[in-house]
Amino acid sequence: GQNIDQPTEMTATEGAIVQINCTYQTSGFNGLFWYQQHAGEAPTFLSYNVLDGLEEKGRFSSFLSRSKGYSYLLLKELQMKDSASYLCAVRRASKIIFGSGTRLSIRP
Amino acid sequence: NAGVTQTPKFQVLKTGQSMTLQCAQDMNHEYMSWYRQDPGMGLRLIHYSVGAGITDQGEVPNGYNVSRSTTEDFPLRLLSAAPSQTSVYFCASSPDREGEKLFFGSGTQLSVL
Repeated sequence: GQNIDQPTEMTATEGAIVQINCTYQTSGFNGLFWYQQHAGEAPTFLSYNVLDGLEEKGRFSSFLSRSKGYSYLLLKELQMKDSASYLCAVRRASKIIFGSGTRLSIRP
Repeated sequence: NAGVTQTPKFQVLKTGQSMTLQCAQDMNHEYMSWYRQDPGMGLRLIHYSVGAGITDQGEVPNGYNVSRSTTEDFPLRLLSAAPSQTSVYFCASSPDREGEKLFFGSGTQLSVL
């Protein structure tokens, strides 16, 4: 939606680190969300970035570069329960627009 | 606190039928929105509202109407259902302050035959 691009699928190994990238059009940008969505469930909030830089929350970190229209979600010490879709969403004024999501599979 | 409540959880319609998906929140949130999610896809914004009496179109508004007569309720109406509207529908709300996350309902699985 509205040129928010993420890889469709990724696979990683339990205990490893994975980085999920998101690029977006910078016009009207107010902030960027990351959500996690397990199959058959509603999305749940992970992070919100407004300023450039890295924000860390436990095993999950999110990075933003406003000038480059780029963000990534970094997941460390991967666990099987991290198998889910990860959705990047951009806030433009009162609209929150989602990308198509990245389906992450964790193998033992 | 119930949060965001959507009803029904499942619905099957025939082409051409109309129906209303209900969404209510008890958090006094100003901002409410409706998304649809097709299999293997992200969420697409249908309509949103920044307060009672105010609604606006999102990315895919055609075939859907909304109204916001109270802060709590934000129903989504399908005027004449089409198979292309088969999807999972999520309602979400937030306080509409900068950085405030969306709180999602549990979703409505709609099939149009």
